[in-house]
Amino acid sequence: GNSVTQMEGPVTLSEEAFLTINCTYTATGYPSLFWYVQYPGEGLQLLLKATKADDKGSNKGFEATYRKETTSFHLEKGSVQVSDSAVYFCALSGPDTGRRALTFGSGTRLQVQP
Amino acid sequence: GAVVSQHPSWVICKSGTSVKIECRSLDFQATTMFWYRQFPKQSLMLMATSNEGSKATYEQGVEKDKFLINHASLTLSTLTVTSAHPEDSSFYICSARAGTGGWETQYFGPGTRLLVL
Repeated sequence: GNSVTQMEGPVTLSEEAFLTINCTYTATGYPSLFWYVQYPGEGLQLLLKATKADDKGSNKGFEATYRKETTSFHLEKGSVQVSDSAVYFCALSGPDTGRRALTFGSGTRLQVQP
Repeated sequence: GAVVSQHPSWVICKSGTSVKIECRSLDFQATTMFWYRQFPKQSLMLMATSNEGSKATYEQGVEKDKFLINHASLTLSTLTVTSAHPEDSSFYICSARAGTGGWETQYFGPGTRLLVL
């Protein structure tokens, strides 16, 4: 079945540091890949997505590239801000479920210090 | 953007009682809502898919008689945990899919934390 593995947190960085949160997946066929973000007290929000190999999703300075050869979708940002402190979830949706259900990673908490 | 609310945000109950959690789409109509469960430091796991006016579709291993789902209108789905036990303690999250735009436009609620004593 489908699964998503992402690095455990918390990840603690200073403001303006470079961020990488690793995500790898196992899936049948060619899944679509997502990053969701959950700010304190709020629901999950779609941050970015990629639907095929070599696609790069980007939003709010965050980027992730769909790497089929390494089954990875690592999240990166060149310069984090305090406002980026949140929990980040990697997720996939596979053709075997009609691309309706989402399979999530365990989430990585990011703490950015001023 | 679209907003999904959940009520209550926190609930503590005694073992053997039933608890109802509401999920509402506040500014859009949701033909499909999803219920997820999350244990500490673990993934969100899909429990069931709720379609307005029809029976919910449960994922393998989820007891439909234990977790009753009702989607009576396009803006409200409820999850009732019947005869709750301590092992049902968890974080329950709903999401709602807008009628258009594809599956990726799922809007998530803030979650409900359930503690069964």
